[in-house]
Amino acid sequence: GNSVTQMEGPVTLSEEAFLTINCTYTATGYPSLFWYVQYPGEGLQLLLKATKADDKGSNKGFEATYRKETTSFHLEKGSVQVSDSAVYFCALSAGQAGANSKLTFGKGITLSVRP
Amino acid sequence: SQTIHQWPATLVQPVGSPLSLECTVEGTSNPNLYWYRQAAGRGLQLLFYSVGIGQISSEVPQNLSASRPQDRQFILSSKKLLLSDSGFYLCAWSGSLSDTQYFGPGTRLTVL
Repeated sequence: GNSVTQMEGPVTLSEEAFLTINCTYTATGYPSLFWYVQYPGEGLQLLLKATKADDKGSNKGFEATYRKETTSFHLEKGSVQVSDSAVYFCALSAGQAGANSKLTFGKGITLSVRP
Repeated sequence: SQTIHQWPATLVQPVGSPLSLECTVEGTSNPNLYWYRQAAGRGLQLLFYSVGIGQISSEVPQNLSASRPQDRQFILSSKKLLLSDSGFYLCAWSGSLSDTQYFGPGTRLTVL
């Protein structure tokens, strides 16, 4: 079956540091890949997505590239801010819409950014 | 634009009491709808999903149930709550031809 593995957390960085959060996946076919962010006490927000190999998703300074050869979708940001402190989830879908659009999530990783 | 609402935002219920959580979506038609639970310090668990009115698929056997009485309304229920039902409940929707899900603000349920 499908699975998503995220690096162990939590991660603590100083403001303006470089961020990498690792995500690898196991799936059949050609899944779509997602990063969601959850701020304290809130629901999940879609951060970025990629639907095919070598696609790069980007939003709010975050980037992730769909690497089929390494089955990875690592999240990066060049300079983190205190406001980026949140829980980050990597997820995949089977790539089919409708009834097969269920997402498989990683366990999430907590990022704390110090001023 | 589309919006998704959940209520209540917070709920404290005694063990053995009933539960009804509501989720509504605006600005779209015939969405796929999902209920997730997020236990403290853990990831997301898909509980139910629905591709249309009256069509519910259950992912995990438990004492919860879901219903979809209207196109954009999704309800999570229980007849008798257990302590283990405590958690953060999230509703999500996706377009009928899309695999991108959008989440509501969540309901924090504490069972005492």
